[in-house]
Amino acid sequence: GAGVSQSPRYKVTKRGQDVALRCDPISGHVSLYWYRQALGQGPEFLTYFNYEAQQDKSGLPNDRFSAERPEGSISTLTIQRTEQRDSAMYRCASSSSRIKYTGELFFGEGSRLTVL
Amino acid sequence: DAKTTQPNSMESNEEEPVHLPCNHSTISGTDYIHWYRQLPSQGPEYVIHGLTSNVNNRMASLAIAEDRKSSTLILHRATLRDAAVYYCILRSPRKIIFGKGTRLHILP
Repeated sequence: GAGVSQSPRYKVTKRGQDVALRCDPISGHVSLYWYRQALGQGPEFLTYFNYEAQQDKSGLPNDRFSAERPEGSISTLTIQRTEQRDSAMYRCASSSSRIKYTGELFFGEGSRLTVL
Repeated sequence: DAKTTQPNSMESNEEEPVHLPCNHSTISGTDYIHWYRQLPSQGPEYVIHGLTSNVNNRMASLAIAEDRKSSTLILHRATLRDAAVYYCILRSPRKIIFGKGTRLHILP
């Protein structure tokens, strides 16, 4: 696709349910980042991948959060046993590897998660 | 992790230049300075980046201090559409940290 695509755009779930958020990066982009953004705050780093390898997951809040990118393209962020505090906008960004340290980040439109 | 410091908010009159400062005193030699902006209800979008030399593009200019411990994003002629949150970040092959950014208000 032309840009980073995220789905679903909106997700409302009940506390205790599991949710999976999907990110389809720009074709050929090697690096993929997940962020969480609360209203009025800057994006909070969660995790990032180069190809299929998860390089850093230090931003994942706890072990209910996990992410994968099995074929080095589409990534899924999974939140198990959701809690109300997980409600936020979840944003995905990708970057080309050809200019590894300078490549701009391209952000998707985000997935807004609401946990009731 | 290298961090950046920006003022919480700034105001500017329409059609006047705007200088948005950023301090990054812990920058390392391989970190690039990137600026992004986030319009209301949208995701962040790239504005400009640089390493050591000043940079210009169609959106803005980036002035980088000689010691690289600070930089300034310059919007030459602000319009109402430039009202946004502007983020200064350090780009490296490590995780990329966004701060709270500067909320820019443009007065008509």
